[in-house]
Amino acid sequence: NAGVTQTPKFQVLKTGQSMTLQCAQDMNHNSMYWYRQDPGMGLRLIYYSASEGTTDKGEVPNGYNVSRLNKREFSLRLESAAPSQTSVYFCASRFKPGQNTETQYFGPGTRLLVL
Amino acid sequence: GNSVTQMEGPVTLSEEAFLTINCTYTATGYPSLFWYVQYPGEGLQLLLKATKADDKGSNKGFEATYRKETTSFHLEKGSVQVSDSAVYFCALSGNAGKSTFGDGTTLTVKP
Repeated sequence: NAGVTQTPKFQVLKTGQSMTLQCAQDMNHNSMYWYRQDPGMGLRLIYYSASEGTTDKGEVPNGYNVSRLNKREFSLRLESAAPSQTSVYFCASRFKPGQNTETQYFGPGTRLLVL
Repeated sequence: GNSVTQMEGPVTLSEEAFLTINCTYTATGYPSLFWYVQYPGEGLQLLLKATKADDKGSNKGFEATYRKETTSFHLEKGSVQVSDSAVYFCALSGNAGKSTFGDGTTLTVKP
């Protein structure tokens, strides 16, 4: 099992450019999450998908869109990148979305720099 | 809403020293509590968890006890190693499985 994979690992964008961050999991998990990690601020939830076909906003959704393409894949799109979106982005998954006892499994992250 | 407050870092210790990283939380209902560890250049991975009051989670010499009366889940290790150098995140998972993370504590262990 590869677990949770993310592409790309690193990306540099200019202000106003768009890009899509890809995430896939091979653990047959139902729910998937996108977080951003900024220095001294822990992880903040951008969007999540409790199950295939559903998506919901998290704590910091502005400037982002998501697509749950199928059960395995959950992409994050920046339509018009801004320097404030410079961050490390983590995708995570969990088997049962409603069970608070369950562990989240994280991908290795995508480092995004917006100039 | 739910929140997690972690001991501010960074923390620097000598090898074989005792480690405590404090974590307190506020939450409605009956959350589960987690410690995740992040090694340089990697994603977070579960270190240990506790799902109800008075439970003790343990792994790799690390321990934490779910204290409902003090709303705390402090991480401890009796003797740290250089390989324990990492960022440690306290987290809670509440209703509907949504997680809230602390800001992270950077631990550096020197030989």
